[in-house]
Amino acid sequence: AQTVTQSQPEMSVQEAETVTLSCTYDTSESDYYLFWYKQPPSRQMILVIRQEAYKQQNATENRFSVNFQKAAKSFSLKISDSQLGDAAMYFCAYSGGYQKVTFGIGTKLQVIP
Amino acid sequence: NAGVMQNPRHLVRRRGQEARLRCSPMKGHSHVYWYRQLPEEGLKFMVYLQKENIIDESGMPKERFSAEFPKEGPSILRIQQVVRGDSAAYFCASSRQSGTGSDEQFFGPGTRLTVL
Repeated sequence: AQTVTQSQPEMSVQEAETVTLSCTYDTSESDYYLFWYKQPPSRQMILVIRQEAYKQQNATENRFSVNFQKAAKSFSLKISDSQLGDAAMYFCAYSGGYQKVTFGIGTKLQVIP
Repeated sequence: NAGVMQNPRHLVRRRGQEARLRCSPMKGHSHVYWYRQLPEEGLKFMVYLQKENIIDESGMPKERFSAEFPKEGPSILRIQQVVRGDSAAYFCASSRQSGTGSDEQFFGPGTRLTVL
């Protein structure tokens, strides 16, 4: 079974600074997708960024980028120029052969003004 | 194009009652997924449905829980004889097609179930 591990229950970052959220996963599949979701206090799940495992190039979306290390099964999220609106729970997630998504337990990000 | 709609947003039930949660997928989406989020935890997969078919219910408790996605109308997650441990946020997601993770799942706003 696939597992997703987020070892940082909480993180904090100064506004305008950069923060990295860690995620590791375990799978025996070779073709899969990895995601970072943001869940603000409204509890709406918002897709932040997605990475296809067969692509070596790390995905980027504006201030959000990932460091995907397939051999190490690591998928960290970097948030640059942090903004107050970035404060939320962040979930790392995995999807394999079909789209059942497995989520980590989340990292709570606090942005300090 | 409206997103995934879930209702009610909040549902309060007493122990032993039934809870019915509804999910209308995005237009053009025929795949629906239900997830449960317990307090201070991530989302846990419950069931994956296509129109009139349950594809994967490996995450759904064998008793008291059932799900359907009829040809017409929303998908329904039904919890019979609710207990306090069923209190959670229940999220529905939909996608246009399945087969690979390249088809993004769009999440609804969730239904927060409270069992008294």
